[in-house]
Amino acid sequence: QQQVRQSPQSLTVWEGETAILNCSYEDSTFDYFPWYWQFPRESPALLIAIRPVSNKKEDGRFTIFFNKREKKLSLHITDSQPGDSATYFCAASANSGTYQRFGTGTKLQVVP
Amino acid sequence: DAGVTQTPRHEVAEKGQTIILKCEPVSGHNDLFWYRQTKIQGLELLSYFRSKSLMEDGGAFKDRFKAEMLNSSFSTLKIQPTEPKDSAVYLCASSFLGDYAEQFFGPGTRLTVL
Repeated sequence: QQQVRQSPQSLTVWEGETAILNCSYEDSTFDYFPWYWQFPRESPALLIAIRPVSNKKEDGRFTIFFNKREKKLSLHITDSQPGDSATYFCAASANSGTYQRFGTGTKLQVVP
Repeated sequence: DAGVTQTPRHEVAEKGQTIILKCEPVSGHNDLFWYRQTKIQGLELLSYFRSKSLMEDGGAFKDRFKAEMLNSSFSTLKIQPTEPKDSAVYLCASSFLGDYAEQFFGPGTRLTVL
C-alpha cells in the first residue's frame, strides 16, 4: 500500500512558469516531509523539507505548502528554469523510529 | 568527507547467479538503507538498518534478497538467485540517527540480469 502519493506523474511547463507538484499521505502521525530531486543519471538529493510547525517553507524559488487537515502538501517552483528538469520525490516520516516513505515521483520538464 | 560509496557501479549477471553489492555509508551515520529503483515502481525499500540492527527487511523482497551490515562502515546486499526482473538500479543511502535526518544517497549499482 502506497503511503505517500504524488501527482502528476509527469509535468511539462514553460521556462518562467510556476510548476506545482502534489503529494498526499495516509498516516496522520507523519510529521516530517522532505522533498528530494533526482537529475538524470544521478542519485536523489535533498531539496527542501518541512516540519508542520508551520504551513509553509520557502527556499528561494522553491516553496512547500502544507495542509495537515487534508494530509496534502505541494511543492511550488516559481520562475521555472530548464535546470530544474528532474524527478521530484516527496517523502514522509514520523518521530517513532520509522523510516522515510517515498512517493513514486513527479518527472518535471521545463521547456525553454 | 567522503559520501556514500557503492561498488560495483555496473554489474551484469546471468539468470540464476549470485551477486553481491557493496556499500560504505558516510562515516558517523547510524542509519543505512538499500533501495531498488525502476522507472515503473520508483524507489522501493529493500532493507533498513539502524546502528547495524535490521529494522525493516522489505517484505516482498525477503526470499532472494539479503542485506547484511557486519560493521558500521560496510554493508552488502546479496541477490540469490538473480532473475531478469531484478534488473534495476540499486541505491544505498545513509543518514544520522533520527527520523528527521537527510538521507545521503550513493551513486548506485546498475544491475542487468540476462
